[in-house]
Amino acid sequence: GEEVAQTPKHLVRGEGQKAKLYCAPIKGHSYVFWYQQVLKNEFKFLISFQNENVFDETGMPKERFSAKCLPNSPCSLEIQATKLEDSAVYFCASSQKLNTEAFFGQGTRLTVV
Amino acid sequence: AQSVAQPEDQVNVAEGNPLTVKCTYSVSGNPYLFWYVQYPNRGLQFLLKYITGDNLVKGSYGFEAEFNKSQTSFHLKKPSALVSDSALYFCAVRERGNNRLAFGKGNQVVVIP
Repeated sequence: GEEVAQTPKHLVRGEGQKAKLYCAPIKGHSYVFWYQQVLKNEFKFLISFQNENVFDETGMPKERFSAKCLPNSPCSLEIQATKLEDSAVYFCASSQKLNTEAFFGQGTRLTVV
Repeated sequence: AQSVAQPEDQVNVAEGNPLTVKCTYSVSGNPYLFWYVQYPNRGLQFLLKYITGDNLVKGSYGFEAEFNKSQTSFHLKKPSALVSDSALYFCAVRERGNNRLAFGKGNQVVVIP
């Protein structure tokens, strides 16, 4: 597709429940990125992929967060045992190369109650 | 480490007047620089980028930005603001060799009719 598609738009989970977010990158883009936007507009890098391979996962809180980009499937970000502080908007982005601009999806707003 | 500073929280400008949104950055080596705009409950839309070449770059919707290496700045400008330009603007930088973007905290632009 010509735009990054993220689903769902909104997700509400009780504390301790699992949350799974999906992202379909733009066709032909080799890199996928996940960012978390919290209060006061701060963006935090979580993880990046080069095709289906993890490229940089140093931003991920690994004890509860995991992500995948498998061939012929949307990429996914999963949070096990959600906490209140996981409430944020999660953005997925894709780019053709590392030195080109990243195009962002509309985001998934996760609310943990 | 890479970082971006957007010193003003909010920029107010009258419709038809020039608009400037300030951005300074800090990187090791040469930067890739980007501006994005975010409308309420929407994702980030790419406006323009500086990778190499001319210091003045032109982007979408009549926006432009000037890369100034000596001042480590990349201010966003538009000669004549429209009410529809009211949104949140983010400056971002990526060091060459780094895959993640570092974002500024964003500037709320309010164009007054």
